[in-house]
Amino acid sequence: QVQLVQSGAEVKNPGASVKVSCKTFGYSFTRYGISWVRQAPGQGLEWMGWMNTYNGDTNYARSLQGRVTLTTETSTSTAYMELSSLTSDDTAVYYCARDQSSGWGLDTWGQGTLVTVSS
Amino acid sequence: SYELTQPPSVSVSPGQTARITCSGDRLGDKYVCWYQQRPGQSPLLVMYQDIKRPSGIPERFSGSNSGNTATLTISGTQAMDEADYFCQAWDSSTSVFGGGTMLTVL
Repeated sequence: QVQLVQSGAEVKNPGASVKVSCKTFGYSFTRYGISWVRQAPGQGLEWMGWMNTYNGDTNYARSLQGRVTLTTETSTSTAYMELSSLTSDDTAVYYCARDQSSGWGLDTWGQGTLVTVSS
Repeated sequence: SYELTQPPSVSVSPGQTARITCSGDRLGDKYVCWYQQRPGQSPLLVMYQDIKRPSGIPERFSGSNSGNTATLTISGTQAMDEADYFCQAWDSSTSVFGGGTMLTVL
């Protein structure tokens, strides 16, 4: 069945970068995009960006422009999200999700990766 | 930037109808999706393209979208429906979520 499995929890110092992986199973990787969403403790969902896994096109949230980079490794059906210049405000659970775009929604989500930024 | 507004909380008695709204400028011109999130779990898609239910989502969930408001309606609400609900829409190649609504079934 369709599954997205994310990498484990991370603890980072302020100013550092973090890279989270999202390995997909059970479908043709390049037929669906991947969105990344984060959720700070006790807060709502924040869309971070989307990647077209077929041609590499990306769209990023304006609030994160310049700090977030989405990539993929097609050979292993894996998506990556890298966030740089971390501050305590970036402490959150980060999710990847399969996204067909055009209003089809994020139909399958990873289990989430907790990133804690603390000195 | 585009914003979606949801009520922070909605309460409903078991068996009654719950309506959760999501407001945004000319939202009816965009597709809206809805997600359910229970504590400690990843979000679950419960409605897409305004009115369509993914496979496995009960028929008691329905959606509408017109003007500036989209609505997720849960008919015959059950205790298991108690969760946070988030709306989502796309605007100019970026996406946005509403702030979320905590649905309490009491």
